[in-house]
This record gives sequence, C-alpha cells and structure tokens, in this order.
Amino acid sequence: AQRVTQPEKLLSVFKGAPVELKCNYSYSGSPELFWYVQYSRQRLQLLLRHISRESIKGFTADLNKGETSFHLKKPFAQEEDSAMYYCALSPGGRALTFGSGTRLQVQP
Amino acid sequence: DTGVSQDPRHKITKRGQNVTFRCDPISEHNRLYWYRQTLGQGPEFLTYFQNEAQLEKSRLLSDRFSAERPKGSFSTLEIQRTEQGDSAMYLCASSLARADSSGNTIYFGEGSWLTVV
Repeated sequence: AQRVTQPEKLLSVFKGAPVELKCNYSYSGSPELFWYVQYSRQRLQLLLRHISRESIKGFTADLNKGETSFHLKKPFAQEEDSAMYYCALSPGGRALTFGSGTRLQVQP
Repeated sequence: DTGVSQDPRHKITKRGQNVTFRCDPISEHNRLYWYRQTLGQGPEFLTYFQNEAQLEKSRLLSDRFSAERPKGSFSTLEIQRTEQGDSAMYLCASSLARADSSGNTIYFGEGSWLTVV
C-alpha cells in the first residue's frame, strides 16, 4: 500500500528566507505526486503536480525516485505563503493518498 | 459553476442517530471522492465513484457508512448509528478522469463538519 510522510508538523521561517517542506513516499509503482495547499478559511486546492514541472507562486518540487521524495521549495518565503501544505500521491491515477500536512508559518 | 458544494456545512447529532451529507460535484466531472479529515491529520480516503459506479472503498469505511451516486451527478454519504469517533470533517471532491488516467486535478469542496455528542 502507498504511504506519504511529512515529517514536520510545523515549519516557521522569516519572510525572505528559503523554505523546504519535506515529503517522502512509499509506492511500488510509478506514482503521480502532488502538493495541495489550504489557506486559512479556504478549501483545499492544488498547488502543483510533478508531471507539470511548473513553478506556482514561486514554489517548485522535484520528484526524486531514488530517495522517494517530493520536497516543496521556495527560495524566498512571503507572508501570504502561510498555510497548511499537504503532499499527496495518486497510484495510477486513482484516489489521492495524503500526508498529515505541514503548517508553514512565515513571520514578518 | 461555483465548484464542489457540500451540504450541510455543519451538523451536530446525538450518538446513535443517522446523518446524511450531500455533495454536488463540478458539472461534467465524472469522478467523485469522499474523504474524512480529523484535526492534525491529512484527508483520509473513504470511497470514490466514476459516474454512478463505486469503484473503490477504503477499509476505513465501516458497514455503518454508505455512499451513493445514483445518477452519476450528486452523491450522498450516510452514516448510521453515529459514534463519537465519527466526529470529523467529511470532504467531497471531484475530477474529470482522462482515458490515460494521468494528470487528474481533484477539486475539493469546503467540507461538512460532523460533531457527534
């Protein structure tokens, strides 16, 4: 069975500092990996997916199959980045399996 | 289209009562998912439909839980004989599944909070 691990419950950084939210997964096949974000009082929404190889709001994530990781990075954090971030895996296009989430707190 | 909508947004019920949640997906989305989320945890998969067919159910989904999507549009999730442990946020989501099963974007509703007292 697939599993997603986000080791940090809370990550607190100052504005302008680099951010790395860690995500490790276990899955025997070729997974699709996603990052979802939930801002205060808003619904869960897709931030980015590994197959798109795009940067959204300055965030990027690279799939490292050797380390089975999909860490989310941003070089300079902004206060508006404060939110809950969930890493998720879709095995073969099926339903998502989520990690437990990391709360990112960007202090002024 | 305003996205995935769920009703009711909040429900308080006494232990042992039955509750039903409704989800209206984004129009033309053929997949509909139910998740449960408790405080401090990520969403946990419960079940999903493709059109009216229920394709997968999690082991988390006990016999007291039943979900339907009778016409392939809206869905209901019923919990019978509620227990305090059922208190959680119930999230619905939908997507348009592609033939190659790749790149689905899953859109979530705002969730239905259930409190069992």
